[in-house]
Parts: sequence; structure tokens; C-alpha cells
Amino acid sequence: DAGITQSPRHKVTETGTPVTLRCHQTENHRYMYWYRQDPGHGLRLIHYSYGVKDTDKGEVSDGYSVSRSKTEDFLLTLESATSSQTSVYFCAISEDGYTQYFGPGTRLTVL
Amino acid sequence: GEDVEQSLFLSVREGDSSVINCTYTDSSSTYLYWYKQEPGAGLQLLTYIFSNMDMKQDQRLTVLLNKKDKHLSLRIADTQTGDSAIYFCAVASGGSYIPTFGRGTSLIVHP
Repeated sequence: DAGITQSPRHKVTETGTPVTLRCHQTENHRYMYWYRQDPGHGLRLIHYSYGVKDTDKGEVSDGYSVSRSKTEDFLLTLESATSSQTSVYFCAISEDGYTQYFGPGTRLTVL
Repeated sequence: GEDVEQSLFLSVREGDSSVINCTYTDSSSTYLYWYKQEPGAGLQLLTYIFSNMDMKQDQRLTVLLNKKDKHLSLRIADTQTGDSAIYFCAVASGGSYIPTFGRGTSLIVHP
């Protein structure tokens, strides 16, 4: 398995609070991605990174920001969490840009 | 943008073959993937095929690509109860390697 960890694995928070999810890799892969998974929607891309400090928006980026200051870490921040952001969040990494390996996921509940 | 469609459920008997189908809309799609997700886990890359191939076989897995009909299938031979999971089709075009995911097919294997 690719060396990807996500933290926390589970989080419950209240509407309006900031939340940061962390993805950490030990593979030194260039590309990193954040997805959300919701019933009936499959996986949808939030943001991705193609190098340190190089990021771009995905399909559902509104309400989310990201940062990548080191190769191994990719942070996803919800500035002010809303109930619609209740979801399972997956991080993925890729060395070549077209084969992705996924982390175990973070289940976020916004009350 | 790309649209990827899969049927939601497939039920098979242990020992039979399973065939999971996927259709996509972008004829310039270059990379086509199958992922497996077990309960509570992340997505595991099973196999992938490039658009210049018609078929790829890997042990019990066979991927067939019909570019004319924009149809991708995954055949699992001798299906076992351990194959019960959600299977995602994902497709990426050459301009962007970032895949679009289908909603997933839940494979149920019963004795």
C-alpha cells in the first residue's frame, strides 16, 4: 500500500467552525488530491496540487482552501464549516499524474 | 465535461463471473481505470487501460474497452465473497490526467 495517512480519521464539528484535514505521504509523489465522497455522487475533486505551493481548483472547490508547503503534506481547510460539507474526504497521491493511490479517508460530520 | 455512468448494483453467485459495465461520453478519453472500495476503506486501484488497447488481463480480472461505443467493462472470473465491494470506473482525457469517477457499482456475492 502507498504510504498515505489522513488525520483525523473521524471528526464531528459545529456549523461555522474552521476545520483542517491533513494528508501525509511518505512516497515523495509530486501530485496530491482532495476528493469528497457522497452517496449518489461518487467521488468529486475538491482541489489538487502538482507541486509544493502549486495548487488548483477542482469541481467542487467552493468553501474549501488548500495548502502545500512541503512535498509530504497537503492540508484541506474548511474556513467555516456547513452541514453540506458533511462527507467522507479522501486524499490521493500520484507520482506520474495519472495513477492515483488513495488514503483511508476522513469522515467529517458538521452539526 | 466528462460524464461516467455505471449501474448501481450487481448480484452474483460465488464461483460465477461478474461483469461490471461503464459508459463515458468524452471520446478523447485516454486513461480508463477500475477501483475497488471495501467498506470503511479508501479506493484501491485494481487495473487501468490506455485508449490504444482493447483488452487487458490481470489474473482473474479482464478489462474490455470498446472505444466506438465508449464502453468499458470489468470482468471478474470465479467471483468470491471477498470480491464484494463497490467498484468505480474512472476516465481521464489526455489534456488532464485527473479522472472523472462514476458513482460506483455495488457488487454483492452470495453463496
